[in-house]
Amino acid sequence: EVQLVESGGGLVQPGGSLRLSCAASGFTFSYYEMNWVRQAPGKGLEWISYITGGGETIYYADSVKGRFTISRDNAKNSLYLQMNSLRVEDTAVYYCAREDTGYELDYWGQGTLVTVSS
Amino acid sequence: SYELTQPLSVSVALGQTASITCGGNNIGSKNVHWYQQKPGQAPVLVIYRDGDRPSGIPERFSGSNSGNTATLTISRAQAGDEADYYCQVWDSSTGVFGTGTKVTVL
Repeated sequence: EVQLVESGGGLVQPGGSLRLSCAASGFTFSYYEMNWVRQAPGKGLEWISYITGGGETIYYADSVKGRFTISRDNAKNSLYLQMNSLRVEDTAVYYCAREDTGYELDYWGQGTLVTVSS
Repeated sequence: SYELTQPLSVSVALGQTASITCGGNNIGSKNVHWYQQKPGQAPVLVIYRDGDRPSGIPERFSGSNSGNTATLTISRAQAGDEADYYCQVWDSSTGVFGTGTKVTVL
């Protein structure tokens, strides 16, 4: 059974940093591209980052470019999101999602809440 | 940047058919995916590549895509179909989600 479990969320002050993790199981992690998607309270879904199976290609949304860094450790079946220079508007539930061959996000984690507030 | 527009809300009577549109410039040239999200839960893929259904998704869910509009159709709507629905495409290596549609089953 495919499982994605996010962790690392919490309360952080504006300008602070946080590192999210996504533990994957039930599939060959290195074979799949992965994504981070977030959802601000009461708002819609926002794609924020993508990484290929080997980590050689990475994309970011303009809203996080230069502040967030996606990475992965295939030996640990884990995906990461390093978030720096956090802003109030980064407050959201952050989901990791697996991308299948048709470029659809076929499995999602349960999400981890990040709150940026003073 | 590429934008996808969905109606804010759609209402459907129990057992009837709901259609949710997703508008974007020449969206017919892209692969469209649809996600269902119930309150407090993670999104679930219900349609991929315009009209394909993942295993476990009822045949009542179908999709089409042409021109500037993609459509998700829910036939024989059930109370359990009440949720927010989002369309999604890739454009210039960027993921783009639609604005989301709240479906209410009356």
